[in-house]
Amino acid sequence: GDSVTQMEGPVTLSEEAFLTINCTYTATGYPSLFWYVQYPGEGLQLLLKATKADDKGSNKGFEATYRKETTSFHLEKGSVQVSDSAVYFCALRTSIDDKIIFGKGTRLHILP
Amino acid sequence: EAGVVQSPRYKIIEKKQPVAFWCNPISGHNTLYWYLQNLGQGPELLIRYENEEAVDDSQLPKDRFSAERLKGVDSTLKIQPAELGDSAVYLCASSLEGNTEAFFGQGTRLTVV
Repeated sequence: GDSVTQMEGPVTLSEEAFLTINCTYTATGYPSLFWYVQYPGEGLQLLLKATKADDKGSNKGFEATYRKETTSFHLEKGSVQVSDSAVYFCALRTSIDDKIIFGKGTRLHILP
Repeated sequence: EAGVVQSPRYKIIEKKQPVAFWCNPISGHNTLYWYLQNLGQGPELLIRYENEEAVDDSQLPKDRFSAERLKGVDSTLKIQPAELGDSAVYLCASSLEGNTEAFFGQGTRLTVV
């Protein structure tokens, strides 16, 4: 079945470091891909999305490119801030039945 | 524009008691989801509605869980009776039809003691 696999955390970085959180997926058809973020004590918020191959989603300095050939949607940021500390979820929405499937999440800690 | 509204935010009940959660989706969103999120895990789908029809309830434990979405707007999720293992965050989300993102509410944190 369709699934999302993302790197396990926690990931701990110093402020201004480069961030990559890996995400790969398995899906039939042509899914849309998403990154959601969950800040402490808050609900899930959409961070960015891409709806077709080679699309790049971006928001708040974060980027991810929909790579169909490698079935990946890795999240990157060039210079992280303490305020980026949160849990990040990779997700896909299947094109066949509109189901939204999440990865297990990656906890990110940014040290000042 | 108001987001997805859930209530209550927190609920503590004794095992074997019933509990209900309520969700008001974003106006105009025909798709509504209920997800379960255990600590340290990603959300897992319980049930998905298209308008008032439950189109995917394959992951809903139907012996104790039930849900309804009357008139295709608000929805309630019920557990009866609750078990200790039901302690989790219950998330409601809504989206427009098609390949778009889902918007989530704050969730209801259930603790069964």
